[in-house]
Amino acid sequence: AQKVTQAQTEISVVEKEDVTLDCVYETRDTTYYLFWYKQPPSGELVFLIRRNSFDEQNEISGRYSWNFQKSTSSFNFTITASQVVDSAVYFCALPILGNSGNTPLVFGKGTRLSVIA
Amino acid sequence: DGGITQSPKYLFRKEGQNVTLSCEQNLNHDAMYWYRQDPGQGLRLIYYSQIVNDFQKGDIAEGYSVSREKKESFPLTVTSAQKNPTAFYLCASSIARDEQFFGPGTRLTVL
Repeated sequence: AQKVTQAQTEISVVEKEDVTLDCVYETRDTTYYLFWYKQPPSGELVFLIRRNSFDEQNEISGRYSWNFQKSTSSFNFTITASQVVDSAVYFCALPILGNSGNTPLVFGKGTRLSVIA
Repeated sequence: DGGITQSPKYLFRKEGQNVTLSCEQNLNHDAMYWYRQDPGQGLRLIYYSQIVNDFQKGDIAEGYSVSREKKESFPLTVTSAQKNPTAFYLCASSIARDEQFFGPGTRLTVL
């Protein structure tokens, strides 16, 4: 069965520090997508990234970067030079059916990040 | 602007009452989903629909019902059979292999 584990329940950092959020997954599929979402205090989930399993290149988007390692089933998310606006709950997710279209997601329990000014 | 709307934002239910949460999307997405979020927990799937007039149960469907009569709409009814309905409910939609887009959520409280 599909499973996503985010072992870090809460993290607090001081502004401008770098922080890495861990995500470990289990899947029966050989090809699959992985996702990261951000949930600010307002509650709505905001899409951050989708990664296909056959693309193991790291991705960088501004202060955000993602490290995907298929060998260790991990898809970690790093925020560089954190800001107060980064304070949110971050979720890692995996489709219940690999890389099929229009399939529900299995979510980790999330990591609450607090960035202190 | 395209997006997903959920209403109401806050909902209060008395014991034994059925309530319906609205979810509408104008993104022309084929699939729609309902997730439940409890404090400190991830999202859990209640129901999903990949096409009009068809839907499947998720992990925690007991005490809930849905309909999908129109592509744009996927209402969720929380019935009296759901013994612990207090939670945050999120609706989402998607097309093909793209990411899911989420609505702003409905916070349901049992009085």
